[in-house]
Amino acid sequence: NAGVTQTPKFRVLKTGQSMTLLCAQDMNHEYMYWYRQDPGMGLRLIHYSVGEGTTAKGEVPDGYNVSRLKKQNFLLGLESAAPSQTSVYFCASTAGGRVGGYTFGSGTRLTVV
Amino acid sequence: AQKITQTQPGMFVQEKEAVTLDCTYDTSDPSYGLFWYKQPSSGEMIFLIYQGSYDQQNATEGRYSLNFQKARKSANLVISASQLGDSAMYFCAMREFGGGADGLTFGKGTHLIIQP
Repeated sequence: NAGVTQTPKFRVLKTGQSMTLLCAQDMNHEYMYWYRQDPGMGLRLIHYSVGEGTTAKGEVPDGYNVSRLKKQNFLLGLESAAPSQTSVYFCASTAGGRVGGYTFGSGTRLTVV
Repeated sequence: AQKITQTQPGMFVQEKEAVTLDCTYDTSDPSYGLFWYKQPSSGEMIFLIYQGSYDQQNATEGRYSLNFQKARKSANLVISASQLGDSAMYFCAMREFGGGADGLTFGKGTHLIIQP
């Protein structure tokens, strides 16, 4: 099925460890986004990309890095995980334009202990 | 100031009744879009409905309609004839098209519980 695929779905990290979350979409969308969802906070934008090779900061970028080497993939990296990064992470993509809908992945639940 | 405000943290509604979920927004950009998403307990984000700032008519999608009052900066979601499967978190979101950071800005959500 076409859509946005996030891997892994669950992960437990120790403080200071690093990891990379992968987002892959097969809809040829230009725009891709990483959000985090915390209880009572809604979704907040971490980083986004408006095309292959581009990235930009969102509302809460500190502690994260991203890369978009291929159009279909958007990677979110945590270089040194902290307990404050315990969250559910969502990737989304859209073709762009004024009526373009956003397709979300199923989320990654990350716990940092 | 928050860009998206959802003032109802939780709501209980009887099955088959209509539901209105409130959303107000704040932007100086004349070109923007408003979205509603449903998040059931399984966690996925499900797109429900979209309204553009220049759209003349209120958006409708099946049992969902968006009561768009531009002057009041209000974009309430109306669910007609609620069903048990409508129990979920509902998020209002906005995208501003005039430049600056891209992406959706979300409200904090409303937890809707439909009672039999």
